[in-house]
Amino acid sequence: AQTVTQSQPEMSVQEAETVTLSCTYDTSESDYYLFWYKQPPSRQMILVIRQEAYKQQNATENRFSVNFQKAAKSFSLKISDSQLGDAAMYFCAYRRAGANSKLTFGKGITLSVRP
Amino acid sequence: DTGVSQDPRHKITKRGQNVTFRCDPISEHNRLYWYRQTLGQGPEFLTYFQNEAQLEKSRLLSDRFSAERPKGSFSTLEIQRTEQGDSAMYLCASRRSGTGDSEQYFGPGTRLTVT
Repeated sequence: AQTVTQSQPEMSVQEAETVTLSCTYDTSESDYYLFWYKQPPSRQMILVIRQEAYKQQNATENRFSVNFQKAAKSFSLKISDSQLGDAAMYFCAYRRAGANSKLTFGKGITLSVRP
Repeated sequence: DTGVSQDPRHKITKRGQNVTFRCDPISEHNRLYWYRQTLGQGPEFLTYFQNEAQLEKSRLLSDRFSAERPKGSFSTLEIQRTEQGDSAMYLCASRRSGTGDSEQYFGPGTRLTVT
């Protein structure tokens, strides 16, 4: 079975600074996708960034980038120039490639941004 | 594209009562997922539909839980004889099939409190 581990329950960052959120996963599959989702308080979950396992290049979306280390099964999220609106819970998630496409989530990390 | 909607947003019920939640996916999405999220945890997969066919059910989905998607559009999740342990956020997500890497879009969730 696939597992996703987020070992840091909380992190804090100063506005305009950079923060890195950690995630490790375990799978025996070779073809899969990894995601970071953001869940603001009382608001719905939205996709921040995704990474295809077959791609060596790390994904980047504006201020958000990932460090994908396939051999180490590590998938961290870097948020640059942190903004107050980045405060939320962040979930790392895994999905096997193919028709069975359920997501397996980590426990999440609460990110606070200090003004 | 109006997004995934869920109704009700909040439900308080007494132990032993039955409750039903509704999810309306994005109109062209034929895949629909239900997840359960308890406080401080990431969402956990419950069940998944492709059109009207329920293709997978998690072990979390006890015999008190039933989900339907009768016409391949909206879906309902019913919990019979609710227990306090059923208190959670119930999330619905939808996805367009045919492209292996399309993302899941989440609704705002239904928060269930069993007293």
